[in-house]
Amino acid sequence: SQQGEEDPQALSIQEGENATMNCSYKTSINNLQWYRQNSGRGLVHLILIRSNEREKHSGRLRVTLDTSKKSSSLLITASRAADTASYFCATDAEENAGNMLTFGGGTRLMVKP
Amino acid sequence: DVKVTQSSRYLVKRTGEKVFLECVQDMDHENMFWYRQDPGLGLRLIYFSYDVKMKEKGDIPEGYSVSREKKERFSLILESASTNQTSMYLCASSPGLAGDNEQFFGPGTRLTVL
Repeated sequence: SQQGEEDPQALSIQEGENATMNCSYKTSINNLQWYRQNSGRGLVHLILIRSNEREKHSGRLRVTLDTSKKSSSLLITASRAADTASYFCATDAEENAGNMLTFGGGTRLMVKP
Repeated sequence: DVKVTQSSRYLVKRTGEKVFLECVQDMDHENMFWYRQDPGLGLRLIYFSYDVKMKEKGDIPEGYSVSREKKERFSLILESASTNQTSMYLCASSPGLAGDNEQFFGPGTRLTVL
């Protein structure tokens, strides 16, 4: 079942602008992860935030997690055309077995040069 | 670097054929996963395996089976392919450690069933 739901489904911005994507989920989690997928390719892990963390940074990426609202956001600062891709959140729910992740439907980001 | 490879990038099969999709990882990961990805539906888990010869059903196992005879290899089998199994198939692996369970994905196999 789809637990993570991304918002918006699609986002178009100009190079240099910031891009913010949101993810909502339904059950208690161990961690939440963000992945990126270039068109027609596999997913690549970007960042993981644990349930006891509120914010995490990695280069131009900033992730926040609000467990009381069951939501997370991914901010990409100073976007580049090469950031054009689909971005997925994935949750490791406490109830899941075997390190399963549940992926959302993704946000398609287009960064125009 | 972890590498997950899938046997084919593109595959075209006919309805009723038996189809094998192979996935190999080179990092001694315990867990391996098969997903299918369809527009608007995101990634849906078909099967996963947390050890050799072990398998668990995911969200959409109907019409599929899997095999894990060796730790590094996880095969997805379509016993009798149907047109509604046309999709992108993604394999992933992760270490068997609780907590940080980042998944590493293969490049995907785009399967078309005619």
